[in-house]
Amino acid sequence: DVKVTQSSRYLVKRTGEKVFLECVQDMDHENMFWYRQDPGLGLRLIYFSYDVKMKEKGDIPEGYSVSREKKERFSLILESASTNQTSMYLCASKQLAKNIQYFGAGTRLSVL
Amino acid sequence: SQKIEQNSEALNIQEGKTATLTCNYTNYSPAYLQWYRQDPGRGPVFLLLIRENEKEKRKERLKVTFDTTLKQSLFHITASQPADSATYLCALDEASGGSYIPTFGRGTSLIVHP
Repeated sequence: DVKVTQSSRYLVKRTGEKVFLECVQDMDHENMFWYRQDPGLGLRLIYFSYDVKMKEKGDIPEGYSVSREKKERFSLILESASTNQTSMYLCASKQLAKNIQYFGAGTRLSVL
Repeated sequence: SQKIEQNSEALNIQEGKTATLTCNYTNYSPAYLQWYRQDPGRGPVFLLLIRENEKEKRKERLKVTFDTTLKQSLFHITASQPADSATYLCALDEASGGSYIPTFGRGTSLIVHP
């Protein structure tokens, strides 16, 4: 079975802190994604990566950056966390040119 | 980009009945359409994929239809059970850079009453 692991299920941070959300997949997938999910707004794509060291902005990249130094790991960085970044963050991966995404369990981030 | 519409109101049905969820889109027909299930506090899980040249796809108690004329997909769960209660998301794939990038609908909550 494909496994996508997010480093934390719950995280509480203070405004202005630098926050790292880590995601690791074990299936050698080329594509990886970061979404945030808020009530009534659904899943919104923040960044995605086609492959190692590649990144593309999604629909809401402002306030976020990403890093993909190894194929299995895709990190989401909040340079200076703000309260409006309180959300559920979901990582996903899939094979290149395939459709099915595999999601992690999510990280619920609260910024106080 | 695509606008995807799923009924925001929860669908409440009795156990044993067929649940039907709707996904409408506004622009061009995607090559692929997917349905996912999401339980509270968890990530979505893939259920079914249907291609634009397929009218219908089945998997056990699940059935998906794809009508490119109506720009609509229907997702059916027959003989529904309380364990089917969850939020169901549809996703449309858009080709980008040699890969497929899905756009997700907001999901419809299904509640199956015993």
